Amino acid sequence: DTEVTQTPKHLVMGMTNKKSLKCEQHMGHRAMYWYKQKAKKPPELMFVYSYEKLSINESVPSRFSPECPNSSLLNLHLHALQPEDSALYLCASSPPLAGGKDTQYFGPGTRLTVL
Amino acid sequence: SQKIEQNSEALNIQEGKTATLTCNYTNYSPAYLQWYRQDPGRGPVFLLLIRENEKEKRKERLKVTFDTTLKQSLFHITASQPADSATYLCAPSGNTGFQKLVFGTGTRLLVSP
Repeated sequence: DTEVTQTPKHLVMGMTNKKSLKCEQHMGHRAMYWYKQKAKKPPELMFVYSYEKLSINESVPSRFSPECPNSSLLNLHLHALQPEDSALYLCASSPPLAGGKDTQYFGPGTRLTVL
Repeated sequence: SQKIEQNSEALNIQEGKTATLTCNYTNYSPAYLQWYRQDPGRGPVFLLLIRENEKEKRKERLKVTFDTTLKQSLFHITASQPADSATYLCAPSGNTGFQKLVFGTGTRLLVSP
């Protein structure tokens, strides 16, 4: 299995809702990432998990809460979002190699709309 | 602060021609430079990685160069096809583990028949 899957594909939520995005990979990768991408912009890193521990948080507001229950799963819990949080949320994973040559494998993304 | 710039205008070329995309970076000394392709509404897909001590890397119709003096990478697609139409992103990366990838602004390539 050489893919990263994300569910749901689309999500519409109100500002008072709580929802979660899910990401899964079965490639044995030990680093997993969340990115946010607005229209016509490049993906922006939000969080990095390394061996199931949060290693990078790019000063993301606390209304986004990541979770890595095991080495194959990554969740992003959403609460009290704002309309400007509407974007494509991408999950990625990379092999457990040292150094910047870690290529990342991206999922298809979840298109989030906050009303 | 680190800056990674790609041609912001879309690049329109005819089928069969060579497309050349540019990635310039400042305030950065990457050990590697990666190129990704992204189709609308989809996640980026890795294409090629070049190391700082490599001048050129090829894969089928793709060629990447890396000039650390000019702080620039060029990405070429030869014999371009309409199916090559997509946004291409460059991502310089350093030498530490579990990379924090920072993408360039992306260049949209349109190949017309």
